[in-house]
Amino acid sequence: GAVVSQHPSWVICKSGTSVKIECRSLDFQATTMFWYRQFPKQSLMLMATSNEGSKATYEQGVEKDKFLINHASLTLSTLTVTSAHPEDSSFYICSASEGTTDSEAFFGQGTRLTVV
Amino acid sequence: AQSVTQLGSHVSVSEGALVLLRCNYSSSVPPYLFWYVQYPNQGLQLLLKYTSAATLVKGINGFEAEFKKSETSFHLTKPSAHMSDAAEYFCAVSGRGYSTLTFGKGTMLLVSP
Repeated sequence: GAVVSQHPSWVICKSGTSVKIECRSLDFQATTMFWYRQFPKQSLMLMATSNEGSKATYEQGVEKDKFLINHASLTLSTLTVTSAHPEDSSFYICSASEGTTDSEAFFGQGTRLTVV
Repeated sequence: AQSVTQLGSHVSVSEGALVLLRCNYSSSVPPYLFWYVQYPNQGLQLLLKYTSAATLVKGINGFEAEFKKSETSFHLTKPSAHMSDAAEYFCAVSGRGYSTLTFGKGTMLLVSP
């Protein structure tokens, strides 16, 4: 299958600072990328869907000003957690697809964010 | 709208025993269904998927699942568990597109020697 690389794998930041997570498709063009959040021992919750060159579509209850998503190229999407708080600590996972109806989504390895 | 219910947050089996992880779905349109495996602090790996072809789907690592429309189920099975199968398993249904997924809450598979 196709490869999606997420960086960093883990990050610790101080409250009030911002942190950026990158999601890259290494061997295909990812027209659409998805960002999920996973709390400990819980399922993945879709945060937002981004299409290359367009504004991201956020799920209900997700603060778009806090979780900034940029998808400026066909191989890279970034999620920036702004003014992070301890409650933002979570496991963030991206997935990427070629964007057609029958295109599969491939997942990154996830980023463990800890806000202290 | 789509939803997934995974029965049992934890399933324990002995090595060599049958593995059965249950998944029921709800979908307003013909569904695409998926099973993923997640190891600690890692992303998701696709085990298998149903996309309206054969109802019995074979995946990687000896897993298979059967789509039963009448029961709205897509249970995951493996004839003989290995220690390396211990992980979290997620059932998912496609939402607004093939790659827009709604996940169940997951089932942790524990395998004892």
